[in-house]
Amino acid sequence: QVVQSGPEMKMPGASVKVSCKASGSQYPFTAYSFDWVRQAPGQGFEWMGCISAYNGNTYYGQKFRDRVTLTTDTSTSTVYMEVRSLSSDDTAMYYCARDLFEAAAAGDWGQGTLVTVSS
Amino acid sequence: EIVMTQSPATLSVSPGESATLSCRASQSVTVNLAWYQHKPGQAPRLLIYGASTRAPGVPARFRGSGSGTDFTLTISSLLSDDSAVYYCEQYNNWPRGFGPGTKVETK
Repeated sequence: QVVQSGPEMKMPGASVKVSCKASGSQYPFTAYSFDWVRQAPGQGFEWMGCISAYNGNTYYGQKFRDRVTLTTDTSTSTVYMEVRSLSSDDTAMYYCARDLFEAAAAGDWGQGTLVTVSS
Repeated sequence: EIVMTQSPATLSVSPGESATLSCRASQSVTVNLAWYQHKPGQAPRLLIYGASTRAPGVPARFRGSGSGTDFTLTISSLLSDDSAVYYCEQYNNWPRGFGPGTKVETK
């Protein structure tokens, strides 16, 4: 199970930090990687980045490399995504997903966190 | 960066019939390709990974095939509950990436 934090409303230029708590997996938290995917209103999925809970290695999509930071807290089995310098273009549903142990496909998805950026 | 494309954009199928969805990668992703189902207001659901392996709990009506650059998701005996948007995703190279999706509607 993957449970995300609640909806956020932010002003342009602000930052947001969304959490994603994982539980109920066959293997320890550190055995998995976690992805963040967003979906703007009326649009498809956009892959943002991935973090390994094992060693903290991160991979980011080109457009997110400068504004997004992924981190983990292994003591609480929680993954965090921070997005800085928000604009209205960042208004979207943000999903966290735990990859499968046996393949880097997103097996367990969170419920999504709606981030609204508006003045 | 690998670009994923999907066709058709929308597919309207009668219940009980089959739906065939296509996904193409701009370069080879071997078999590192997943299919997801997404219904409005719900979390996405993994259907297929490794191009052809069904995720746990996914009915056998969903079949994935292909390798390299061309992939297919076939949904047999379509149910009204299968109405959703279906996305393919490559996870062979960084950055990972999704196709634009195929919307499946039941007539």
